[in-house]
Amino acid sequence: GAVVSQHPSRVICKSGTSVKIECRSLDFQATTMFWYRQFPKQSLMLMATSNEGSKATYEQGVEKDKFLINHASLTLSTLTVTSAHPEDSSFYICSAMGLSNEQFFGPGTRLTVL
Amino acid sequence: DAKTTQPPSMDCAEGRAANLPCNHSTISGNEYVYWYRQIHSQGPQYIIHGLKNNETNEMASLIITEDRKSSTLILPHATLRDTAVYYCIVRVAGGNQGGKLIFGQGTELSVKP
Repeated sequence: GAVVSQHPSRVICKSGTSVKIECRSLDFQATTMFWYRQFPKQSLMLMATSNEGSKATYEQGVEKDKFLINHASLTLSTLTVTSAHPEDSSFYICSAMGLSNEQFFGPGTRLTVL
Repeated sequence: DAKTTQPPSMDCAEGRAANLPCNHSTISGNEYVYWYRQIHSQGPQYIIHGLKNNETNEMASLIITEDRKSSTLILPHATLRDTAVYYCIVRVAGGNQGGKLIFGQGTELSVKP
């Protein structure tokens, strides 16, 4: 199957700093990428949908100025958590969708904000 | 909101078949049934999907009722490594909805020796 990577796999930062998470499709071109977050013992919650070269579409209740998404190429999307606070600590997961219309998920990034 | 209902947890003996049910009574004609699973602290893994016919691949079988209001994922010979949360999702393939996956709570399957 297609491979999606995320970097870093885990990050610890201080409150008030910004953190960037990368999502890459390694062996296919992703026209659309999705960002999810998952709190402990909960399901995945879709945050936003990003299409290459255009602005991301955010789900209701997700602050677009807090979670900046850039999808500058067909193989890379980034999520920046700006001015992170402890409540932003979560497991962030991306998925990528190519021409096959199937979604492939990355391994996730564990963010801990102190 | 997720459009599927699954039991929160199930147990299965190692080597036996695991049958995971899913209700999707409001499914639309252009929506597929997808199954993913998530092993602890990993990204979800695709298992199988179908529209109305039963499907089988190397991982599992998917049985969809004739009225498409429910389905069952079958893992024919469960192993300890199949312990995971299994998500049943209905999804429009492409189009204006962009193929979004909306996850429900899933079923936590525990395979026991």
